[in-house]
Amino acid sequence: NAGVTQTPKFQVLKTGQSMTLQCAQDMNHNSMYWYRQDPGMGLRLIYYSASEGTTDKGEVPNGYNVSRLNKREFSLRLESAAPSQTSVYFCASSEELAGARGQFFGPGTRLTVL
Amino acid sequence: RKEVEQDPGPFNVPEGATVAFNCTYSNSASQSFFWYRQDCRKEPKLLMSVYSSGNEDGRFTAQLNRASQYISLLIRDSKLSDSATYLCVVSSNGQNFVFGPGTRLSVLP
Repeated sequence: NAGVTQTPKFQVLKTGQSMTLQCAQDMNHNSMYWYRQDPGMGLRLIYYSASEGTTDKGEVPNGYNVSRLNKREFSLRLESAAPSQTSVYFCASSEELAGARGQFFGPGTRLTVL
Repeated sequence: RKEVEQDPGPFNVPEGATVAFNCTYSNSASQSFFWYRQDCRKEPKLLMSVYSSGNEDGRFTAQLNRASQYISLLIRDSKLSDSATYLCVVSSNGQNFVFGPGTRLSVLP
């Protein structure tokens, strides 16, 4: 079991470029999440998907879109990157939304927007 | 008031010391509680769930006080490898996980 995988691990973009961060889990989890983490700040929820076919905004959704492609995959898209989106992005999954067994995280994507 | 608050830290302790972290939460409907650890430049990893009766995993003991809406994590005989940021996380059915800001621990030789 790979758990939660994310690609790419690192990315540098210029302002205005677009990109998609990929996330996949092999634990048959229903719920998936995207977070960002900035220096000195905690994890902030961008979007989540409680189950296949549903997505909802989190705390900081502006500038992002998501797609729950199937039960395994949940992608995050930046349509027009801005320097304020420089951050570390983590994908996570859990058996169910806010389930009692907790969440499992991918290794993260370090994004720099110039 | 933030939903989940933790000791501000950082905590600098010598090897072998016992250290305790505290966490308070504001949502009385919270039902699930966790401690995560996050190493520098790594993803958060689940350390342990916290059960109503309290639970222990080796050198780690977690306690829950629902009346006071308080969670604690005790680390005994601390090791250099325990150096990390410890995150308190709470959730309630149908709601999202809520993370505390974390408390950084440095175990010194």
